[in-house]
Amino acid sequence: DQQVKQNSPSLSVQEGRISILNCDYTNSMFDYFLWYKKYPAEGPTFLISISSIKDKNEDGRFTVLNKSAKHLSLHIVPSQPGDSAVYFCAAGATDKLIFGTGTRLQVFP
Amino acid sequence: GAGVSQSPSNKVTEKGKDVELRCDPISGHTALYWYRQSLGQGLEFLIYFQGNSAPDKSGLPSDRFSAERTGGSVSTLTIQRTQQEDSAVYLCASSLQKPTDHMNTEAFFGQGTRLTVV
Repeated sequence: DQQVKQNSPSLSVQEGRISILNCDYTNSMFDYFLWYKKYPAEGPTFLISISSIKDKNEDGRFTVLNKSAKHLSLHIVPSQPGDSAVYFCAAGATDKLIFGTGTRLQVFP
Repeated sequence: GAGVSQSPSNKVTEKGKDVELRCDPISGHTALYWYRQSLGQGLEFLIYFQGNSAPDKSGLPSDRFSAERTGGSVSTLTIQRTQQEDSAVYLCASSLQKPTDHMNTEAFFGQGTRLTVV
């Protein structure tokens, strides 16, 4: 049973536009969430996180929203070609991180 | 080192052979994770260490898989009698504190070991 779901396997966005990546989770016990970015042949790198008690966290072009029940989203504004990567949503539970299956973002000129 | 180091970076092995994958976490990080990513799949949790103990081994796919961690540092993931379905990128990550702590909960990943079983 997938506790963290990223239902869109891929997303294509024009440079300069907003990219919105979604993540749904089933376990209400998660108390924090993270987004990771992964380029080919590299390990995932941390991007941004948010506590379950907050509804927004911003870091430059990246914003994570936690305003809907069991749903969070990552916004990238404006999108750049270098943002093209696989983005993983992760949820923190009692003793481990649980990752979604990832969304491949392609930003085209 | 400055980051999580994994070795080897690539491993090709014959079906039925045993392989050992190594992870050197960031110094001082108490939590260590093993994940794998099969082709076209997301990250699959395998095992989590807090210090030298593994409170959660639920992700290990079969009894051919085992992992240990010594001295609260280096970890090895061993796959016995490898099968073709074991082919994947095996990723190790470490973090400073247990995930229940809200500070420094970010996990840092190594570059992974690409395992190919032929």
